[in-house]
Amino acid sequence: QVQLQESGPGLVKPSETLSLTCTVSGYSISSVYYWGWIRQPPGKGLEWIGSIYHSGSTYYNPSLKSRVTISVDTSKNQLSLKLSSVTAADTAVYFCARGAPPGTLDGFDIWGQGTMVTVSS
Amino acid sequence: QSALTQPASVSGSPGQSITISCTGTGSDVGGYHYVSWYQHHPGKAPKLMIYGVSNRPSGVSNRFSGSKSGNTASLTISGLQAEDEADYYCSSYTSSSTLVFGGGTKLTVL
Repeated sequence: QVQLQESGPGLVKPSETLSLTCTVSGYSISSVYYWGWIRQPPGKGLEWIGSIYHSGSTYYNPSLKSRVTISVDTSKNQLSLKLSSVTAADTAVYFCARGAPPGTLDGFDIWGQGTMVTVSS
Repeated sequence: QSALTQPASVSGSPGQSITISCTGTGSDVGGYHYVSWYQHHPGKAPKLMIYGVSNRPSGVSNRFSGSKSGNTASLTISGLQAEDEADYYCSSYTSSSTLVFGGGTKLTVL
């Protein structure tokens, strides 16, 4: 059974870098799937942050591209997200998810439970 | 990129059918067969209900169906049940090799 679990600081100071990790169990992150990060600010809708293919190719939301880095650590079977120069607008629940069908940027079929990140001094 | 347009809310009585629309452009919804729909109960992880415009993942009830006409995709839920009450989001692949979500629709089962 494939499971994803996000982890990282729940509180980040403005102007600092938000760093989250998604640990994948039950499946190799090196497989032919896209993996992605999605967030949901309080009271708002879902926002795609970006996706990475097993080959390392990355795709980012244009509105966040200058501040986002998504990478994979195949030795640890983990996906990571770094978002720099954060502001209160980056306060959100952050989800990691597996893309589906394999090899396509279509839907996300397996999601982590999400982790709340608050940007505040 | 602009969010896809969904109605803010829809409602229906148990047993009825409802349809949620998702309008984009020729550069996203209209241009590709990569439209997905998610059911999201607050506090939980979103659940994929439809991918590839009209495909249901294993385990999703056949009461949920998806379609597309031009730049508008639709999610239809037939035989509404109380547990269907949730927020629903569409998403689409775009010509910029990105993904974009809709603003979300709150479904109320009366």
